[in-house]
Amino acid sequence: GAVVSQHPSRVICKSGTSVKIECRSLDFQATTMFWYRQFPKQSLMLMATSNEGSKATYEQGVEKDKFLINHASLTLSTLTVTSAHPEDSSFYICSANIQGDGELFFGEGSRLTVL
Amino acid sequence: GQQLNQNPQSMFIQEGEDVSMNCTSSSIFNTWLWYKQDPGEGPVLLIALYKAGELTSNGRLTAQFGITRKDSFLNISASIPSDVGIYFCAGQSQVGAQKLVFGQGTRLTINP
Repeated sequence: GAVVSQHPSRVICKSGTSVKIECRSLDFQATTMFWYRQFPKQSLMLMATSNEGSKATYEQGVEKDKFLINHASLTLSTLTVTSAHPEDSSFYICSANIQGDGELFFGEGSRLTVL
Repeated sequence: GQQLNQNPQSMFIQEGEDVSMNCTSSSIFNTWLWYKQDPGEGPVLLIALYKAGELTSNGRLTAQFGITRKDSFLNISASIPSDVGIYFCAGQSQVGAQKLVFGQGTRLTINP
């Protein structure tokens, strides 16, 4: 079946540094990918929609200059958390679907800890 | 914005018992999806529902798309230890639209 893979699965960084998280669709092309953030014991909150070859669409309240999204190919989207702060520590999850199919598949998630 | 109300928020049951959880919405959805999330992992799709009234099974799991299109139910029969986890409902308001709205999740704990 369809597989979405994220890397890294865990990352620890110092405050003020930038961190890049990759999301890949392994056996299908994804023109659209989604980035979610999940705080402990909470549900998934959509951050942005990543569109291949164009700018990402951010949800209200999400800073586009802080969470940079690049979707340069049909199988890869990246999320860069710039100038990370401890409050950015969270579980970041991407998702994608096979074009025309409503079923979204999720990556394994990336846990970011900012010291 | 759209919100999904998922109940119950947590369940503590004995192994072998059946489980029921539901999601309700104030607005209509055209697709309902049920996911399970294990600790430290991404959600895994369990069942997808595309038609009002649809009843779909996946092993011991059964989910239904409510007739009003404002609710959905997930049942797990004869629970086993590996059913432990957090279950999320998610809805899409437009056919073919990919943006999902998630419920708050139901945390299932099973006592052996």
